[in-house]
Amino acid sequence: ETGVTQSPTHLIKTRGQQVTLRCSSQSGHNTVSWYQQALGQGPQFIFQYYREEENGRGNFPPRFSGLQFPNYSSELNVNALELDDSALYLCASPPPQRGSSTDTQYFGPGTRLTVL
Amino acid sequence: SQQGEEDPQALSIQEGENATMNCSYKTSINNLQWYRQNSGRGLVHLILIRSNEREKHSGRLRVTLDTSKKSSSLLITASRAADTASYFCATVIQGAQKLVFGQGTRLTINP
Repeated sequence: ETGVTQSPTHLIKTRGQQVTLRCSSQSGHNTVSWYQQALGQGPQFIFQYYREEENGRGNFPPRFSGLQFPNYSSELNVNALELDDSALYLCASPPPQRGSSTDTQYFGPGTRLTVL
Repeated sequence: SQQGEEDPQALSIQEGENATMNCSYKTSINNLQWYRQNSGRGLVHLILIRSNEREKHSGRLRVTLDTSKKSSSLLITASRAADTASYFCATVIQGAQKLVFGQGTRLTINP
């Protein structure tokens, strides 16, 4: 049990729509990262939030945006959905254990997004 | 772009045998980590090896790191059916904030 939860589990949208995915971490860590994992591929880094501000971004267009809230929850928003956005979206946060590397990430179970 | 490359892409062995997966990467790293993923769900952190370490053990897992060859291996001894999963190596590039994953090895343990 990682203490990282995501909602919803599955989501089906049509091309051009907008979607919001949610993540919550019990670790109390002020860093959250989002990853996109296409079928059969490894996860790709979308962006990271630290203390409610974006702190690093991967090769994703501006229609991918995020928010982090003071209660350590986070949102990933994707506008103008495209078919290639179909993927598993994972959020991650460092574990709460004192002394553990902040490079280690606890992942949520993911949200499976299908764009038709 | 992917930093790491896992080899093989798929591996099928009998229960009780050992499984070895390899990972190569391209740039200097702070550490290298291995994760497991069951059935396309969340990733589970298995082990982290720092760039100044050469070998690390955790239960039935043994990880090696060769920074001169920019490669790592994950050995799972005495495999069990529950080890069936995809295994990913991930690196933290010096100065970056992100994990960079390879494409993974799909491991199947046959009873």
